[in-house]
Order: sequence, then C-alpha cells, then structure tokens
Amino acid sequence: ILNVEQSPQSLHVQEGDSTNFTCSFPSSNFYALHWYRWETAKSPEALFVMTLNGDEKKKGRISATLNTKEGYSYLYIKGSQPEDSATYLCAFPPGATNKLIFGTGTLLAVQP
Amino acid sequence: DAGITQSPRHKVTETGTPVTLRCHQTENHRYMYWYRQDPGHGLRLIHYSYGVKDTDKGEVSDGYSVSRSKTEDFLLTLESATSSQTSVYFCAISESEGEGNQPQHFGDGTRLSIL
Repeated sequence: ILNVEQSPQSLHVQEGDSTNFTCSFPSSNFYALHWYRWETAKSPEALFVMTLNGDEKKKGRISATLNTKEGYSYLYIKGSQPEDSATYLCAFPPGATNKLIFGTGTLLAVQP
Repeated sequence: DAGITQSPRHKVTETGTPVTLRCHQTENHRYMYWYRQDPGHGLRLIHYSYGVKDTDKGEVSDGYSVSRSKTEDFLLTLESATSSQTSVYFCAISESEGEGNQPQHFGDGTRLSIL
C-alpha cells in the first residue's frame, strides 16, 4: 500500500520561532510531491509542486526541499507568524497520474 | 481564487436517500476531482475526471458515482446514502499539462450529514 507519512502530527510554536516538518513518501517511481496549506474553515491552497531531486522552492517565509532518493521533503517556516497557523498537507501521485495520495497533515499553531 | 463553486454547501439527509453534489468551475480545466475529508484520514480521492464523459475511480469509490457531461460541471452522486458517508466533500480542479505535477485548486467544500 502506497502511503505518505507526515510528522509531527501537531506543533505549537511561539511567534518568531522558525519551524520545520517532514513528509515521507515512497522513493520508487517518483513523479512529484505537493505541499498544501489548509487554514481552518477554508479550503486547501497549493504551496509547492516539486519534481526534481534536490529541488528547493520558496514562497515568502515558507520554503521546501526534496530528496527523492530517500523519499522525504521538508517544509520550513522562518519567523512563524500567527497567520501561519494551519494544517500543512503533502501529497504525491503514485505514478504518472493526477490521482494524489494525501498525508494526514501537520497542524501548526503559532502563539502570539 | 480559482473559480470553483460547490453546491450545496451544507446538506442534512436521511439514510437511503439519493444525494447529488455539484462542482462547477469557470477555469476550463480538464481535470476535476472529488475528495472526502474525515478525521484521521486526511483527504481521500473518491473519483476524478480527465475530460467530458471520462472518469476514473479513486481510493474510496464504493457507494459513489460521478458524471461529467460538460467541462465545467462534475457531479457526485450517492445513490443510497449511508451514515458512513457523512463527511466533508471537496471538489478540486487542475490543468492537464504534466501528469501529477500540476497543483490542484479546491472548492470550499460541502458538509454532508446523513442521519
């Protein structure tokens, strides 16, 4: 069974802290790795789609790295702000397909 | 924001009744998806469509059917709703270029309760 694991399940940090979390996925037959941000009472919003080993993507204070050979991606948030509070999801397609398998997410709470 | 509208936004119905959820997009994207979101499971794909009249099953398709007669509309039907289908349902869309490497854009969700 193809699966994606995210850790930690939840994270509480203080405003200004930098933080990171992990997405682990099957390293064989890799096509892409997606990151989404999901704020409470809203819908998931795409952050990054990463396709190449060693990829690094950045959007403001959020960045992500990808290691396809060992099957993991890190998401980093620099100087967390309360508005960064959300669930961060990763997902991958199990092949050359648009079907995505999602992890259960990391819930980030940033205390002011 | 991607032009995706889900209707209804909330629905309460009884076990055994048919239910149809609608997803409408104004982006002319080829791919459309239906997911359900349940505690402890994250988002799980029910069905998706890769064109008009072209659909395929996802990982939790049992008890659901879909139809896509126009590019802009993707319907999800529960023929005979069961309590296990109580969930929040999300529609998503994506462009066709590059299998698996296009971001998906989500609607606001439909909260469905089956009593």
